Amino acid sequence: DAGVIQSPRHEVTEMGQEVTLRCKPISGHNSLFWYRQTMMRGLELLIYFNNNVPIDDSGMPEDRFSAKMPNASFSTLKIQPSEPRDSAVYFCASSSGTRNEQFFGPGTRLTVL
Amino acid sequence: GEDVEQSLFLSVREGDSSVINCTYTDSSSTYLYWYKQEPGAGLQLLTYIFSNMDMKQDQRLTVLLNKKDKHLSLRIADTQTGDSAIYFCAVLGSGGSYIPTFGRGTSLIVHP
Repeated sequence: DAGVIQSPRHEVTEMGQEVTLRCKPISGHNSLFWYRQTMMRGLELLIYFNNNVPIDDSGMPEDRFSAKMPNASFSTLKIQPSEPRDSAVYFCASSSGTRNEQFFGPGTRLTVL
Repeated sequence: GEDVEQSLFLSVREGDSSVINCTYTDSSSTYLYWYKQEPGAGLQLLTYIFSNMDMKQDQRLTVLLNKKDKHLSLRIADTQTGDSAIYFCAVLGSGGSYIPTFGRGTSLIVHP
């Protein structure tokens, strides 16, 4: 299994532009998580899906952030418009089973100039 | 909600043992995890312990759980420079939650 796949690995954009981050979870996993990691705030949970349905989006910072999971094998996190304070590493993780151990992707490093 | 605390840094000499500590607040926590994050990579599950266990050993790793004090530790024996990374403690509460709470992570620095 290739593990959780994220693209792009690096994204540099200018303030005001739309950014779309992509994630392919591990096949058979029914839960998907989007996290943001910064030095200042550590690892923050943004949103969590179970069986493709958003369950908890209380971590999404603003209306500029949106996430979708149109099917069990694909999810997107969109930021529109992007701002410099959105610069961070964004991780996608998936899990399944009673232990709920999460498998993380390699992350997308976003820089907003 | 759950609160998970870790010290931010730990420095050890190669060959010594490392002990990374974590405290949490939810006494009904079910699963407790240790993740490792190497530079430029995502978090990787190292090991986990179920709340009805006191200890779990896996090669150079030993996890100790003190439920009374709500304290979890990860001991790495014979620490190597390749063990340098950030180690995250994560705790899964009871009540059917699917979302573990992560600590801020402990940066382990191994000196040759």
